[in-house]
Amino acid sequence: ETGVTQSPTHLIKTRGQQVTLRCSSQSGHNTVSWYQQALGQGPQFIFQYYREEENGRGNFPPRFSGLQFPNYSSELNVNALELDDSALYLCASSPRAVNTEAFFGQGTRLTVV
Amino acid sequence: QQPVQSPQAVILREGEDAVINCSSSKALYSVHWYRQKHGEAPVFLMILLKGGEQKGHDKISASFNEKKQQSSLYLTASQLSYSGTYFCGTEIRRQGNTPLVFGKGTRLSVIA
Repeated sequence: ETGVTQSPTHLIKTRGQQVTLRCSSQSGHNTVSWYQQALGQGPQFIFQYYREEENGRGNFPPRFSGLQFPNYSSELNVNALELDDSALYLCASSPRAVNTEAFFGQGTRLTVV
Repeated sequence: QQPVQSPQAVILREGEDAVINCSSSKALYSVHWYRQKHGEAPVFLMILLKGGEQKGHDKISASFNEKKQQSSLYLTASQLSYSGTYFCGTEIRRQGNTPLVFGKGTRLSVIA
């Protein structure tokens, strides 16, 4: 167990709705990265937060947004959900922003219908 | 920019060895290896930071050839617990906003 917890574990939403996913990072870790993993694919980087500031962003549209809180927990928000947003969303925490191991949570399985 | 992993899938009997390769079209600063079992989170195996570096983790080791922009993961005397999908994640710069870019994964099945 990594100490990184995500909620909820499963979620079903309707196209056009909005969703908020949550991640509680491992104690002492100030960096959180979010990934989208489609079935049979590797995780794709959405964005990273370091000490409450966005520290890098992947090729995802602005309707994917995030926050990191003073306790380093984090949220991923997705607006105007599309069917293709159905995926496993993973957050990973690490003790610093680069060149270090990342500890993944169990993920949130989002299904958009 | 996504690294290419090979093979896509491999089936081994217990005790057999396997090699998983990860190649990039861009110069790499580091390579990270993870294993993900079905329905579980990816688990960190190791990170390689320097060209020519090798690391070991029980009977799992890896090498990183900076000049060839590739890394290989070696699994020796495989155990049933090694089954899962192996991902390499690559970093192209030492610092800054450089995310891990993962390959599509190699599915390893170890059978008795």
